[in-house]
Amino acid sequence: NAGVTQTPKFQVLKTGQSMTLQCAQDMNHEYMSWYRQDPGMGLRLIHYSVGAGITDQGEVPNGYNVSRSTTEDFPLRLLSAAPSQTSVYFCASTDRANEQYFGPGTRLTVT
Amino acid sequence: TQLLEQSPQFLSIQEGENLTVYCNSSSVFSSLQWYRQEPGEGPVLLVTVVTGGEVKKLKRLTFQFGDARKDSSLHITAAQPGDTGLYLCADPRAAGNKLTFGGGTRVLVKP
Repeated sequence: NAGVTQTPKFQVLKTGQSMTLQCAQDMNHEYMSWYRQDPGMGLRLIHYSVGAGITDQGEVPNGYNVSRSTTEDFPLRLLSAAPSQTSVYFCASTDRANEQYFGPGTRLTVT
Repeated sequence: TQLLEQSPQFLSIQEGENLTVYCNSSSVFSSLQWYRQEPGEGPVLLVTVVTGGEVKKLKRLTFQFGDARKDSSLHITAAQPGDTGLYLCADPRAAGNKLTFGGGTRVLVKP
């Protein structure tokens, strides 16, 4: 199993550009989540999904959209990038024992 | 909103020394998870503690959950350079997804 994969690993955007961060898992987990990590603030939940076709907002959802058309994929869209969205983004999936498996992250810089 | 405070924020020690990091909450934990994150990687779950007063050991790591379930500690005995990383505590408030993270303790073990 590859676990949780994320692409790209690094990305630089200009203010106002849009992009999609990809996340995929091959463990057949129903639950998936997106977090952002900023220095000294741990990880904060952006959006999450409890299964295909179902998504909900987390703590910091503004400026981001998600969709969950399949169990495997959970892309995160930045609609109009802002410097405040410079961060490291982690995707995670959760098994039935409530253990979260994190991807390797995407480091995003918005100039 | 529950706040998780971790202390210290940063710890630098020599190989062979012991260290303890702490996680405190403004309210009672349902359960508590400890993660370790290495540079450039996503967090990896170390342990989940559930019962007040619980102690769990993972090789040289000892995890303690406070009797009142409002605090937890992680003690590393005879630290090694491989223990270097960011240690995060998290409260899984709801099944699957809604992890609330502390700000983390960055540990550096020098050879």
